[in-house]
Amino acid sequence: DSGVTQTPKHLITATGQRVTLRCSPRSGDLSVYWYQQSLDQGLQFLIHYYNGEERAKGNILERFSAQQFPDLHSELNLSSLELGDSALYFCASSVRTSGNTGELFFGEGSRLTVL
Amino acid sequence: GEDVEQSLFLSVREGDSSVINCTYTDSSSTYLYWYKQEPGAGLQLLTYIFSNMDMKQDQRLTVLLNKKDKHLSLRIADTQTGDSAIYFCAGVPGKSTFGDGTTLTVKP
Repeated sequence: DSGVTQTPKHLITATGQRVTLRCSPRSGDLSVYWYQQSLDQGLQFLIHYYNGEERAKGNILERFSAQQFPDLHSELNLSSLELGDSALYFCASSVRTSGNTGELFFGEGSRLTVL
Repeated sequence: GEDVEQSLFLSVREGDSSVINCTYTDSSSTYLYWYKQEPGAGLQLLTYIFSNMDMKQDQRLTVLLNKKDKHLSLRIADTQTGDSAIYFCAGVPGKSTFGDGTTLTVKP
């Protein structure tokens, strides 16, 4: 158990819909990262938040957005869903203080299926 | 990922050594990491190496780092069926620094 909790574990929805994925980081971790894992594109970095502020963006579509709340949990919002958005979405957290190794702790992922 | 390249598949027999290779472009990472993903699970850190080191050994795992060639490798000695998984090399968190992963299949 990594200590990172993601909900829901599975989600099936239709094209055009909007979903919200939730992540609770390990206790004390200030950084949250979102990744998308699909069969044909490997593991793609989407976005990074640190203590409520966006720190870096990766290959995140404009239809997707995220935020990190004061209690440090994070949500990834996916809208106007397309078939190609079907993937595993991972959240990872890390401590990001000086002296730490930058290890990421991953949740078990949210599997999104768009029909 | 475009910053990290790995071969996609590796198949070995139980008891043999496995070597998974990775080349990277971003040399700013203080640490380089190997993560393991078992079926249906998230990634879990397997080992890491400080960028000033050439080699790190951790039980059955040996990590070799060639900074000049930007090449990282993971050797698993006495590979077991439980080692079957996808292995990712990675650099600094928060960038496109995960490879596509190497699927290791261990045959009995």
